[in-house]
Amino acid sequence: GESVGLHLPTLSVQEGDNSIINCAYSNSASDYFIWYKQESGKGPQFIIDIRSNMDKRQGQRVTVLLNKTVKHLSLQIAATQPGDSAVYFCAENINTGTASKLTFGTGTRLQVTL
Amino acid sequence: DTGVSQDPRHKITKRGQNVTFRCDPISEHNRLYWYRQTLGQGPEFLTYFQNEAQLEKSRLLSDRFSAERPKGSFSTLEIQRTEQGDSAMYLCASSSPNLGTRGRDTQYFGPGTRLTVL
Repeated sequence: GESVGLHLPTLSVQEGDNSIINCAYSNSASDYFIWYKQESGKGPQFIIDIRSNMDKRQGQRVTVLLNKTVKHLSLQIAATQPGDSAVYFCAENINTGTASKLTFGTGTRLQVTL
Repeated sequence: DTGVSQDPRHKITKRGQNVTFRCDPISEHNRLYWYRQTLGQGPEFLTYFQNEAQLEKSRLLSDRFSAERPKGSFSTLEIQRTEQGDSAMYLCASSSPNLGTRGRDTQYFGPGTRLTVL
C-alpha cells in the first residue's frame, strides 16, 4: 500500500514500551482536541479526544494530556504493540459559529520494533 | 459496515478531465466534511455541510471544485478540468453533535479516494 507521511518525524519504540507523541497547536481559541491514527492507505481513525476544560483524559491503553499554557498536547500509549505502528495526528477543533472544522498538526510516524 | 464510505477508492485521470467522488456518511450524522490530504501532510479542510446546506468553504476550494449534498445524506465532490496539483487523497468525514458524548462533535473519517492526475 501507499505510504502516508514519507518525511514525517519518526518515533521508534520497542514492543511493550510506552510511547509518547507530542503535538503543538496554534489557536488558543480551540475548544476540543482529537488524536487520530492513520495507517497506510486508510483514512484517519479516531483514538481519543479531550475538551479544553480538561487537562487529562484516559482511554484503553491511551492517555491524552493537554497543557493550554504552552498550547501542547501529548498522546501516551502504554505497552505499545506492533499494531500501533501508524502515523498519528493531533487535530484542534475550531468552532467558527457555522462549522466545527479540524486543523491537523504535522503527523508523527510511530514504528514499533520487536 | 456502518462507517463512512467513499467511492471510488482510487481514481486515475488525465489532466483536463472531470472527476466526481461520492461520500456516504454514518446514517444518523447530519454534518459532513470534505478534506484533502497530500503525502506527508495532515488533512486540510475543504468544505462542510449541515444537512443539505453548505455552510463553509475553504480558500483551498477553487472554482473548479464543487460539492453537493442534495438530500442531506450522501455528498459528491466534483473537480472540473483536473490539474496535476489536484493529485491527493480526498477524505470525507461525518459527525453529529447531538450524538457525541457530552456534546463533543467527533468527526469520523472514511477510507478516502486517492486521485492521481496524469
